[in-house]
Amino acid sequence: AQSVTQPDIHITVSEGASLELRCNYSYGATPYLFWYVQSPGQGLQLLLKYFSGDTLVQGIKGFEAEFKRSQSSFNLRKPSVHWSDAAEYFCASNNDYKLSFGAGTTVTVRA
Amino acid sequence: ETGVTQTPRHLVMGMTNKKSLKCEQHLGHNAMYWYKQSAKKPLELMFVYNFKEQTENNSVPSRFSPECPNSSHLFLHLHTLQPEDSALYLCASSQDIYRGDGNTEAFFGQGTRLTVV
Repeated sequence: AQSVTQPDIHITVSEGASLELRCNYSYGATPYLFWYVQSPGQGLQLLLKYFSGDTLVQGIKGFEAEFKRSQSSFNLRKPSVHWSDAAEYFCASNNDYKLSFGAGTTVTVRA
Repeated sequence: ETGVTQTPRHLVMGMTNKKSLKCEQHLGHNAMYWYKQSAKKPLELMFVYNFKEQTENNSVPSRFSPECPNSSHLFLHLHTLQPEDSALYLCASSQDIYRGDGNTEAFFGQGTRLTVV
C-alpha cells in the first residue's frame, strides 16, 4: 500500500531564512505527488503537484519541490520564509484513485 | 475561495443527536470525498463518490452515513456519535478519481469543526 511519510513533526525557522520540508513516499511506480498547506481553522490549499516530466516543480507563494526517484523523496523548499508561511504542510500522493496524506509538518516562523 | 463550500463551519452535538454536514462544489467535478482530521493524526479518508456512486468506504462506522444526491452535493449524516468522533471534517472534490488523466488534484472546503459532548 502506498504511504507517505513526513519525518519532521515541527520546524521552527526565522523569517527570511530558507525552509525545507521532507516527504518520502513508498510505492513501486511513480506516484502523483502533492504538497498542501493548511492555515489554522482552514481547509487545505494546493501548493504544487508533480505528475511527470521536469522533476523540479514550481508552486504558489514562492514554493518549489523536487522529485527524486532515487531517494523516494519530494521535498518542499522556499528560499526566504515570510511570517505568513506559518501553517501546517501536508505531503500527499495519489496512486490508486485516492489521496494518501502524511501526518503533516507544523511550521513556526519567528521574527 | 476554493469552490468547495462546507456548512456549518462549527457544530456541537450531543451523543444522542442527529445532524448533517453539507458540502457543495461549484467546480463541475465528478468526484467528492469526506476526510476526517483529528489532532496529531494523518488525514483519514472516509468516503469517495464518483459520479454519485460510492466507490470507497474506508471502514467507517455506520454512525456516519454519506449521501450524494448529485455530483455537486455531498452530505454526511451523523447519529449517536461518540466523543472520539470530535474532529475537523473536510470535504474535497476532484475532476475525476482516476490518475490516468492527471486531473486528480483535490480541492478542499474549509471544514466543519465537530465537537461531540
